[in-house]
Amino acid sequence: AQKVTQAQTEISVVEKEDVTLDCVYETRDTTYYLFWYKQPPSGELVFLIRRNSFDEQNEISGRYSWNFQKSTSSFNFTITASQVVDSAVYFCALSFQAGTALIFGKGTTLSVSS
Amino acid sequence: DTGVSQDPRHKITKRGQNVTFRCDPISEHNRLYWYRQTLGQGPEFLTYFQNEAQLEKSRLLSDRFSAERPKGSFSTLEIQRTEQGDSAMYLCASSPPYGSYGYTFGSGTRLTVV
Repeated sequence: AQKVTQAQTEISVVEKEDVTLDCVYETRDTTYYLFWYKQPPSGELVFLIRRNSFDEQNEISGRYSWNFQKSTSSFNFTITASQVVDSAVYFCALSFQAGTALIFGKGTTLSVSS
Repeated sequence: DTGVSQDPRHKITKRGQNVTFRCDPISEHNRLYWYRQTLGQGPEFLTYFQNEAQLEKSRLLSDRFSAERPKGSFSTLEIQRTEQGDSAMYLCASSPPYGSYGYTFGSGTRLTVV
C-alpha cells in the first residue's frame, strides 16, 4: 500500500522555537518522489520542496531544512527560529512517477504565537 | 504567468442541483489535476489530464462526476445531482511536461451543498 502518515495533528510553538514536522511514507516502489506543501489560511497550497528517492542528501533553504532517511521511510521538515508567518497546515506528499497523482498525508497544523 | 486560476471561489448549491467548476492552468503546463479536500484532511486525487486526454481517474470520482479538458487548456469539473457529502474544497493543479518540479495549485473552489 502507498501511504503517507503525518502523526502530528497539531503543534503549537512560541516564536523563535525550532519545530520538526514528521512524515513517514509507505511504498514498495524503488522510484518515488516526496514533497512538502504549505497551506496558509488563504487555502492555496504552496510548494516547498521535492525530493526523488535516489537523492538522500538533506537540504536547507533559509530557515527550512529537510531530512530524508530511506532506512526509516521518513522525510521530516524542520523550521528553525519559527515565525508567526509560518502558521499554516503543512502536508507531506508522495508520487510514483514525475507528473502523476500526489498522495497526501492528513497534514500538521502549526501554530506559532508571538 | 498568473498561476492556476479557479472559478468560482465559492459555490453554494441546493442538494440535487448540478454544478460546474473551471480551472485555467499555467499556460505551458500540459498536465492538469483535480483534487478534493475536506475539512481536516489532505487533498485526495480525483483525476488527471495530459493535454486533452484523461489518463487517470480515482475511485472517488463517482459517475456523478465528470471532468473535461477539451482543447488541452482549461478544464471543467461537473458534479451532477449534488449531495451533502460533496461539500468540500475542489483544488486544481498543473505541472509542466518535464521535470515536474512541483505541482502548482490554484486557490480552490469551496462547494457547500445545503
